[in-house]
Amino acid sequence: GENVEQHPSTLSVQEGDSAVIKCTYSDSASNYFPWYKQELGKGPQLIIDIRSNVGEKKDQRIAVTLNKTAKHFSLHITETQPEDSAVYFCAASRDSSYKLIFGSGTRLLVRP
Amino acid sequence: GAVVSQHPSRVICKSGTSVKIECRSLDFQATTMFWYRQFPKKSLMLMATSNEGSKATYEQGVEKDKFLINHASLTLSTLTVTSAHPEDSSFYICSARATGDQPQHFGDGTRLSIL
Repeated sequence: GENVEQHPSTLSVQEGDSAVIKCTYSDSASNYFPWYKQELGKGPQLIIDIRSNVGEKKDQRIAVTLNKTAKHFSLHITETQPEDSAVYFCAASRDSSYKLIFGSGTRLLVRP
Repeated sequence: GAVVSQHPSRVICKSGTSVKIECRSLDFQATTMFWYRQFPKKSLMLMATSNEGSKATYEQGVEKDKFLINHASLTLSTLTVTSAHPEDSSFYICSARATGDQPQHFGDGTRLSIL
């Protein structure tokens, strides 16, 4: 079945620096890749998503890149702020109506 | 937009009790709702997928008689943990998606503690 690997498991950066989280997937039929942010005691919140017909997507300080050939995608957060501290999950799916397979999560800490 | 409300946020009850968790889409019609379970510092594990008006599809290893799912309307799905035991203690999260090419939006979860 589909497997999604996520690295690193923890990431600590200084405020203002960039943070990069990487994921790889196994199912070549996957074509939808969302990223979620989960704060303590809350449910995951969708922050950005990308489909396989696009290589890169940006929304203010957040960007996602996709390399379908290599089957990996990455989340880039620039000018990090303390409020960016949370657990981030990548996911992959055959399309947005299909079930999501989640990565193991990355705990991001932004030091003031 | 795309708000999903989950209730209750926290439940503490005795072993043997059945617990019902509600998941509502507040500002859209949810054709499909999903139920997840999350252990501390772990990822989300999909338990089942429910489509309005039809039986839920359970993931392998999830007991359908233990975790009853009802998706009676386009805005409400319920998960009932029957005869709960301490090992059922966990964080349960629902998500919902509208028809068409729409992403999943998550509720804020229910922390279930069985004594």
